[in-house]
Amino acid sequence: GQQVMQIPQYQHVQEGEDFTTYCNSSTTLSNIQWYKQRPGGHPVFLIQLVKSGEVKKQKRLTFQFGEAKKNSSLHITATQTTDVGTYFCAGVRGYQKVTFGTGTKLQVIP
Amino acid sequence: NAGVTQTPKFQVLKTGQSMTLQCAQDMNHNSMYWYRQDPGMGLRLIYYSASEGTTDKGEVPNGYNVSRLNKREFSLRLESAAPSQTSVYFCASSEYGGPPGNTIYFGEGSWLTVV
Repeated sequence: GQQVMQIPQYQHVQEGEDFTTYCNSSTTLSNIQWYKQRPGGHPVFLIQLVKSGEVKKQKRLTFQFGEAKKNSSLHITATQTTDVGTYFCAGVRGYQKVTFGTGTKLQVIP
Repeated sequence: NAGVTQTPKFQVLKTGQSMTLQCAQDMNHNSMYWYRQDPGMGLRLIYYSASEGTTDKGEVPNGYNVSRLNKREFSLRLESAAPSQTSVYFCASSEYGGPPGNTIYFGEGSWLTVV
């Protein structure tokens, strides 16, 4: 079956430092989604990328979809304590074929 | 507009007991899902319902059954709970199962412990 791996599994950063999480799929994706889950909360949709090589920004967050549509990254510039949580990618292969990555847990040290 | 509502929020079961997790969405979504979340394992799909009247197995269906009662409601049943089913369960829905309506909206989660 399809596997979607994320690295790193955990990341501790000092507030103000940058953070990046990487998502890799074993198969080519039609699109990819990113979700954020705050501690004790539920996953919340952040963004969807569809085109090969697509880059989208949301304030300090930059999302990128690889040229081969098998990998993606999320980069946060100048982290804040509000960025704490687990970030999941979700690889979409087609209709009803969504596989969530293992997630990257981000801790921000004030 | 409550989104996705699931109950109960917390439950402790003894091995062998049965229980049903209830879920309802008020967004008129066609597709509904049940996921479980375990440390280091991400979100794994148990069952999904692409539309009212249909259900299909996901990645980890063993030990579970589901019912799509109507368009709004999708329940998950554990017939004979096992300690391996200790997890956080999330109900979710999406407008459709494919882009562009496949953004997944999650409920707040149900923490289940089987002792």
